Amino acid sequence: DGGITQSPKYLFRKEGQNVTLSCEQNLNHDAMYWYRQDPGQGLRLIYYSQIVNDFQKGDIAEGYSVSREKKESFPLTVTSAQKNPTAFYLCASSITGGRQETQYFGPGTRLLVL
Amino acid sequence: DQQVKQNSPSLSVQEGRISILNCDYTNSMFDYFLWYKKYPAEGPTFLISISSIKDKNEDGRFTVFLNKSAKHLSLHIVPSQPGDSAVYFCAASVPGTYKYIFGTGTRLKVLA
Repeated sequence: DGGITQSPKYLFRKEGQNVTLSCEQNLNHDAMYWYRQDPGQGLRLIYYSQIVNDFQKGDIAEGYSVSREKKESFPLTVTSAQKNPTAFYLCASSITGGRQETQYFGPGTRLLVL
Repeated sequence: DQQVKQNSPSLSVQEGRISILNCDYTNSMFDYFLWYKKYPAEGPTFLISISSIKDKNEDGRFTVFLNKSAKHLSLHIVPSQPGDSAVYFCAASVPGTYKYIFGTGTRLKVLA
């Protein structure tokens, strides 16, 4: 079955710690995205990658970093600079990253700060 | 500045009746809209879309209506089924970019 997997489902972060959220897709999509969802808010774009070894900042990139070394993988690191990391994180992909393309989402990772 | 608004955080409907979910937007340049459905602990799944050159798009029990002059779109589900109980997000395509702006979601509960 083709799809997007995210791991872990729940992740706990201690003060001053960096944590990495995994996102893998086997849809052969070129574009991948990271969103953050907070209660009472819509999904907000953190980072976007349209092709391997290239990515752009979204609307709320501060305190986050990404890499895109492989087409199928787009890990997100939540750094200690992100002061309010508790949220639900969603990874998505689309065929080419072009305009008006449907984005397909993974199941999400919930990050909690201890 | 929330450019895409879903003013009803929740909606309850009897099984078999019509569910109407609303979405308002502020930017008249938005030219493409999508609806996503999200179950708890899962990612959103694409439901239906509409281009600004149309005012209606239908797919089975789901119909999306677009009123450009009012900057308003709505999702109609007829007949509503208990399995439709989920959170529904509308999203608008930002012109000249790859981005979507998402609304805050409406939680639909279909009562058996």
